[in-house]
Amino acid sequence: DQQVKQNSPSLSVQEGRISILNCDYTNSMFDYFLWYKKYPAEGPTFLISISSIKDKNEDGRFTVFLNKSAKHLSLHIVPSQPGDSAVYFCAARSSNDYKLSFGAGTTVTVRA
Amino acid sequence: SQTIHQWPATLVQPVGSPLSLECTVEGTSNPNLYWYRQAAGRGLQLLFYSVGIGQISSEVPQNLSASRPQDRQFILSSKKLLLSDSGFYLCAWSVVWGHNQPQHFGDGTRLSIL
Repeated sequence: DQQVKQNSPSLSVQEGRISILNCDYTNSMFDYFLWYKKYPAEGPTFLISISSIKDKNEDGRFTVFLNKSAKHLSLHIVPSQPGDSAVYFCAARSSNDYKLSFGAGTTVTVRA
Repeated sequence: SQTIHQWPATLVQPVGSPLSLECTVEGTSNPNLYWYRQAAGRGLQLLFYSVGIGQISSEVPQNLSASRPQDRQFILSSKKLLLSDSGFYLCAWSVVWGHNQPQHFGDGTRLSIL
């Protein structure tokens, strides 16, 4: 039962352009959403999060948008840089639960 | 600042052998601790979590067990490994789970069963 879905397994983008990663969820109890970045042979690194009381959160080049009615969130990276090439995981949970549900990840490749 | 350490980074074990993976956290007290497994091409699956010493909750039935002998130490074990236990194992910690705080991950252990 996959409650968080990342339907695009990969994304290729030119350096300097925008990367848009999408994530859908099915559990209406989820109210806290996170994005993690993972390089090969390393653990995921927390990138940015958003709670359901907001529809946008920005941190430098990274912005997360949340559309609660559509149960959809997205991560925008502007401008994309070669060091952004990694796997990005979307995760979500309910605030009264310990458990994070993860998507399968999207592999981003930034072309020079 | 808080840090999390996992070891070993890679491990190759024969089927039927025992397993012990260790995880320690520094710079924080009474963290929540988690063990995850990532299968190829899939997201992270929560295996165990712990809210305190000696308190372990299992999320999925399996061949593995977990223990928390000290506040900042979390151990993943098996008495007899199966081929299906191969994967990438990640330890994570967080502050109180009831608030909007992220989980922070170690660098993982790549376990290969032969």
